[in-house]
Amino acid sequence: EADIYQTPRYLVIGTGKKITLECSQTMGHDKMYWYQQDPGMELHLIHYSYGVNSTEKGDLSSESTVSRIRTEHFPLTLESARPSHTSQYLCASSPGPRGSVQIQYFGPGTRLTVT
Amino acid sequence: AQSVTQPDIHITVSEGASLELRCNYSYGATPYLFWYVQSPGQGLQLLLKYFSGDTLVQGIKGFEAEFKRSQSSFNLRKPSVHWSDAAEYFCAVGAGSNYQLIWGAGTKLIIKP
Repeated sequence: EADIYQTPRYLVIGTGKKITLECSQTMGHDKMYWYQQDPGMELHLIHYSYGVNSTEKGDLSSESTVSRIRTEHFPLTLESARPSHTSQYLCASSPGPRGSVQIQYFGPGTRLTVT
Repeated sequence: AQSVTQPDIHITVSEGASLELRCNYSYGATPYLFWYVQSPGQGLQLLLKYFSGDTLVQGIKGFEAEFKRSQSSFNLRKPSVHWSDAAEYFCAVGAGSNYQLIWGAGTKLIIKP
């Protein structure tokens, strides 16, 4: 089973601040994902990566950006936080090549509140 | 477009009773199907998956699910629930040109003592 870590677990921050949500995995998975989750709603994919130097936008429009400089690390950054960014952010990773469906392993999530 | 529907927002069952959570999908080809569970304040954990073969799949924690192509369904079952099963359950389909997962909105399971 993959070990995947997210920090911080909870973050309360004021409007306009820049924030970075950290995600790391120790299983060497090439594929990584960021999802946004709101209560009673399906998970929405906001960013994904097939490997180092690969990043793609997901189905849900997001003002966040991501980077993938190392296989194990996939941080998400909000340049200027707004109350509409208040949500839970889930990071996941999966093995296997591009174009294959594999199990996704999830981190514990970051609960972000923007005041 | 591909979609996943979990018709029940929440379900309440008594401890020891049987459970069935419904999942219907819309996808033209044979999908890859998943059930995940999320406990409060936690990430998602895989319960079981269907890729091919036997349409009745066994998962962890005593759960099973059956893929029914004719009904486009992948319902999750457990013969006897425990209080620790209280959580939110998500169905997902791996589909589309890039095989990303498409998620249902989840079903919250409440256990009555």
